[in-house]
Amino acid sequence: NAGVTQTPKFRILKIGQSMTLQCTQDMNHNYMYWYRQDPGMGLKLIYYSVGAGITDKGEVPNGYNVSRSTTEDFPLRLELAAPSQTSVYFCASSTTGGNEQFFGPGTRLTVL
Amino acid sequence: AQTVTQSQPEMSVQEAETVTLSCTYDTSESNYYLFWYKQPPSRQMILVIRQEAYKQQNATENRFSVNFQKAAKSFSLKISDSQLGDTAMYFCAFIRLHTGANSKLTFGKGITLSVRP
Repeated sequence: NAGVTQTPKFRILKIGQSMTLQCTQDMNHNYMYWYRQDPGMGLKLIYYSVGAGITDKGEVPNGYNVSRSTTEDFPLRLELAAPSQTSVYFCASSTTGGNEQFFGPGTRLTVL
Repeated sequence: AQTVTQSQPEMSVQEAETVTLSCTYDTSESNYYLFWYKQPPSRQMILVIRQEAYKQQNATENRFSVNFQKAAKSFSLKISDSQLGDTAMYFCAFIRLHTGANSKLTFGKGITLSVRP
């Protein structure tokens, strides 16, 4: 099993550009999550999904969108990138809400 | 809403010694899980240990153990026989035991642990 994979590993965007961060898991987990980690801080939840076709907002959803058309994939879309979105983004998955979350390796995004 | 507080930003320990990392949390829930995650320089988030709130017995995983004080809402991590590979940022995290909505981890700000040779 590859676990949770994320692409790309690094990306630099200009203000106003858009992009999609990809996340795929091969563990057949129902729950998937997107977090951002700002320097010196813990992770904050952006969006999460409890199954294909179901998504919900986390703590910091503004400026982002997600979709969950399959169990495996949970892409995060940034529209009109802003410097405040410079961060490291982590995708995670779990079998249920209370169980261990497995994290991807992260994407470091810089918006200039 | 739940909050997780890690008040120590940094700690340092000599190799082979024991260190304790502190964490407190605030919640009105009675059923929840607590976690310690490790984030080494590689940035990968790795689960260290998990504690179910309904269990009175403290969780242990090899050199890692917790002191879970439910009434005090305290959840500290003890690392015994510290190794150089333990150098990392450590995050305390909380999740409600609830499926569906609000099934999300709340993280503390983390503590940077350095193990000295």
